[in-house]
Amino acid sequence: QVVLTQSPSASASLGDSVKLTCTLSSGHSGYTIAWHQQRPEKGPQYLMKVNGDGSHSKGDGIPDRFSGSTSGAERYLTISSLQSEDEADYYCQTWGTGMVFGGGTKLIVL
Amino acid sequence: EVEKVESGGILVQPGRSLRLSCTTSGFTFGDYALSWVRQAPGKGLEWIAFSRSKAFGGTTEYAASVKGRFTILRDDSERIAYLQMNSLKTEDTAVYYCISAPDYDVLTATWGQGTLVTVLS
Repeated sequence: QVVLTQSPSASASLGDSVKLTCTLSSGHSGYTIAWHQQRPEKGPQYLMKVNGDGSHSKGDGIPDRFSGSTSGAERYLTISSLQSEDEADYYCQTWGTGMVFGGGTKLIVL
Repeated sequence: EVEKVESGGILVQPGRSLRLSCTTSGFTFGDYALSWVRQAPGKGLEWIAFSRSKAFGGTTEYAASVKGRFTILRDDSERIAYLQMNSLKTEDTAVYYCISAPDYDVLTATWGQGTLVTVLS
């Protein structure tokens, strides 16, 4: 079964960029994943899909500041020009034997 | 615009049953796969149930934690998804989210706002 691993927390300053990582378990490096954002006290929101070839496709209305990329078994979410509203939990997701979520990364904007 | 509204979450005793509803609009419900995902207080997201559209076989899948106790149902004519929860346990306490996506692209999920289920004796 595929497993997704995320760092529990990350921090970056207002206006800076941050790169969040989601690592696919061994043998699953070609999987496509999705990124979701969950702001405090809100439901999650789909951000984008990131494919194994590095391409990504964003959901409707997602700002250009958000982008996705790939390196091997790692899938990245990069947020540039950080704003206070980007402070949230970020989850990666894929499909294995059922839907699989990573543990989430709490992003703190300093 | 895609909209989903979950309802039915309440405080319930262990061992009891509960049915959650997800009322939808803004997309071709019958052509979409549906899932339920939950989030225990202070914890991450946990997928629990999945239903394919009729065109993709109409089959269902469940997480091991709820298999045999929970059932995902759908009424395509009314555009409503349900989660029938039986033999509830305290560890089922969570916010329950309904999500939908095309069967051929299940990762592009749109989420509802969630409904809170509290299982407490």
